[in-house]
Amino acid sequence: AQSVTQLDSHVSVSEGTPVLLRCNYSSSYSPSLFWYVQHPNKGLQLLLKYTSAATLVKGINGFEAEFKKSETSFHLTKPSAHMSDAAEYFCVVMSGSARQLTFGSGTQLTVLP
Amino acid sequence: SQTIHQWPATLVQPVGSPLSLECTVEGTSNPNLYWYRQAAGRGLQLLFYSVGIGQISSEVPQNLSASRPQDRQFILSSKKLLLSDSGFYLCAWKKGGGTEAFFGQGTRLTVV
Repeated sequence: AQSVTQLDSHVSVSEGTPVLLRCNYSSSYSPSLFWYVQHPNKGLQLLLKYTSAATLVKGINGFEAEFKKSETSFHLTKPSAHMSDAAEYFCVVMSGSARQLTFGSGTQLTVLP
Repeated sequence: SQTIHQWPATLVQPVGSPLSLECTVEGTSNPNLYWYRQAAGRGLQLLFYSVGIGQISSEVPQNLSASRPQDRQFILSSKKLLLSDSGFYLCAWKKGGGTEAFFGQGTRLTVV
């Protein structure tokens, strides 16, 4: 069984300040982990993925995430928020038969001017 | 290159009416196909997935069904919609042994 917990349903930051979106996972197998972003009424776009290579993963738009097995975490960060970063972000885990993706409940990021 | 098409983009249907949402993938063969539903504040819930023609696995028992009549076509259906079926539906595909899933643009379904 696998599960994902996104610890914050809403995060607000000021433009130019750092972003931290938290994610913890549970998996019986070595997981693959992803962060997706969704803009209003749009599909999902992959930001980055971890698949058992380097534990610090760099993605698009300046985002990065660090896989910490000891903490079962995969937090998403960005040094400086931009207004266009305002969206909903989903942490996703895939393991086992690799047939299923399990999504977290999402974190709505608001960027204040 | 591979692309995924999902339609319609928005749909308003009365309670008790039937539903058919279609998803097709181009540029790949034998993909794993998925239907997800996103309800407000609840993330994405996996509804169905398919690893081949005619093979459907249901994750959540409910008012919906899925079919895969062709290798790259995945259809989400209902005989009689309920108000609780309202939500944002996303189709996705993934290579059988791959790690990355690709999503369609979604269908906003409102049942009135």
